Amino acid sequence: DGGITQSPKYLFRKEGQNVTLSCEQNLNHDAMYWYRQDPGQGLRLIYYSQIVNDFQKGDIAEGYSVSREKKESFPLTVTSAQKNPTAFYLCASSAASSGANVLTFGAGSRLTVL
Amino acid sequence: AQSVAQPEDQVNVAEGNPLTVKCTYSVSGNPYLFWYVQYPNRGLQFLLKYITGDNLVKGSYGFEAEFNKSQTSFHLKKPSALVSDSALYFCAVRDTGFQKLVFGTGTRLLVSP
Repeated sequence: DGGITQSPKYLFRKEGQNVTLSCEQNLNHDAMYWYRQDPGQGLRLIYYSQIVNDFQKGDIAEGYSVSREKKESFPLTVTSAQKNPTAFYLCASSAASSGANVLTFGAGSRLTVL
Repeated sequence: AQSVAQPEDQVNVAEGNPLTVKCTYSVSGNPYLFWYVQYPNRGLQFLLKYITGDNLVKGSYGFEAEFNKSQTSFHLKKPSALVSDSALYFCAVRDTGFQKLVFGTGTRLLVSP
């Protein structure tokens, strides 16, 4: 079955540590996205990538980094510079990043900073 | 800048009654509008979208939405609610001139037996 796989599902981090969240898709989608979800705030875009080896900052990119070396993979690193990283992180993909293209989401990764 | 508003944090409805989840939007061009649903600790699932044409859009699980350009609204509706419809619903909009999809803050739907 085609879809998006995010790992780990739950992650605990000590303050000052970098962590990397994995996102893999087998949908042959060109565009991939990372969103952060906090209660009452909806989804906020962190980074997105329209094509391999290219990505753009979203609304809340500070303290995060990404790479897009392969079409299938779009890992997100939460760095120690992110002051409030505890949140639910969602990866998504779409055939293209414009128009009426529908996003397909992974099941999410919940990060808790201890 | 494009934006979307979901004015209700929560909607309560009894099973078998009709439901409406409200959404209003603001864009500079013509909008592409979407509804997604999220069950606890899961990702979002696509329900339906409006591109152009018929103002009444039918989607998954018996849901439909009505596009109203004059009121800049795209309310989600279902004629008869099920307990299993209880979830978090997100409206989203993409302006034809922009690539970014903007989500609302979500509305929690609670259907009681």
